[in-house]
Amino acid sequence: QQQVKQSPQSLIVQKGGIPIINCAYENTAFDYFPWYQQFPGKGPALLIAIRPDVSEKKEGRFTISFNKSAKQFSLHIMDSQPGDSATYFCAATAASGTYKYIFGTGTRLKVLA
Amino acid sequence: EPEVTQTPSHQVTQMGQEVILRCVPISNHLYFYWYRQILGQKVEFLVSFYNNEISEKSEIFDDQFSVERPDGSNFTLKIRSTKLEDSAMYFCASVQDKLNEKLFFGSGTQLSVL
Repeated sequence: QQQVKQSPQSLIVQKGGIPIINCAYENTAFDYFPWYQQFPGKGPALLIAIRPDVSEKKEGRFTISFNKSAKQFSLHIMDSQPGDSATYFCAATAASGTYKYIFGTGTRLKVLA
Repeated sequence: EPEVTQTPSHQVTQMGQEVILRCVPISNHLYFYWYRQILGQKVEFLVSFYNNEISEKSEIFDDQFSVERPDGSNFTLKIRSTKLEDSAMYFCASVQDKLNEKLFFGSGTQLSVL
């Protein structure tokens, strides 16, 4: 119940394409869902996050879609660029707890020039 | 933007040796964490620390691991007797408070146990 399932494991798109990464969770106590971007040799960096009271959030080229009833959320990257090539992790946490973040298994994205 | 600082960036040690990984969390943050990431795998929770005590720990965080906040700024992870399988990137992270739960990561310490 503590797992966050992420797919796909890897993704290759052409420049300008819209990669979509999906995550699903079981624990209904989760109430904060961030996405992290990680470049090789670096720590994960917060990209965008959403709470379950909204169904969509946009920040620049990044959009999270959230489906509370299905317990799923996804990241869309509009007009993807080669510089977006990185590993993306979804995560979930519960404000009532210790803010222990549960991470998905990661998606390695490659955007071709 | 404020940063979580970790030292050293790389640590090589012999199996059975003790290592201490150091972190300086963001100054006004209250919750502190250690995570680890084995090469190519997901980020795994090790331990959370709040109000000068461990608030939660994972199965990975056994008796060989300990954490300490010896002063107002540093947060350390000690592995008492390292094993080969402890080789991983270790990330320190921090959260400000209940109203701002963004988790900020340091750049990590790559631990190699030989």
